[in-house]
Amino acid sequence: KNEVEQSPQNLTAQEGEFITINCSYSVGISALHWLQQHPGGGIVSLFMLSSGKKKHGRLIATINIQEKHSSLHITASHPRDSAVYICAVMSLQAKLVFGAGTILRVKS
Amino acid sequence: GAVVSQHPSRVICKSGTSVKIECRSLDFQATTMFWYRQFPKQSLMLMATSNEGSKATYEQGVEKDKFLINHASLTLSTLTVTSAHPEDSSFYICSAGSPGDGYTFGSGTRLTVV
Repeated sequence: KNEVEQSPQNLTAQEGEFITINCSYSVGISALHWLQQHPGGGIVSLFMLSSGKKKHGRLIATINIQEKHSSLHITASHPRDSAVYICAVMSLQAKLVFGAGTILRVKS
Repeated sequence: GAVVSQHPSRVICKSGTSVKIECRSLDFQATTMFWYRQFPKQSLMLMATSNEGSKATYEQGVEKDKFLINHASLTLSTLTVTSAHPEDSSFYICSAGSPGDGYTFGSGTRLTVV
């Protein structure tokens, strides 16, 4: 079993829909990251969380440390949100462990 | 915000040759940089941790003689793929930062060995 599990693996949404991507992890962590990888491969860090909730524009990330679970929400989704979204946890050994990613496609 | 520049973005090389990939922190000093490899439709895998002024720390299964890492300054780390073979074709990406401040990723290098 992978230490970081993401769901769904693939997600297709219609423009304007509310999107949720989930991340569960099984190791102790000091922080959790949500990353966005575009088709060309470049990666952008969206959020770094250690507790609670963060919001940036149409993106919201939450984390429940007790349940070892985090969610990334996208409100009013747009085709430009199409990308791979990756959950990564910073283990207590100070190493980033990555989920397999969620491929999101938003259709207009 | 912090910017990490990676070069080249794409490279095609002949089997048996060596390829150097550069990772630069443009507006901050990075004592530690990380090199990752990503196969198609797979997640990022940490290859090695690059430490300024000292030897890199390689993950299990990564050949240090094949993937040479040099971190000669606080703003530059290089990864050299030596005697490249087609199975080395992959997407390589670097990052810099710290557990407390978070990480900035380079734009990645797509290596194709023919």
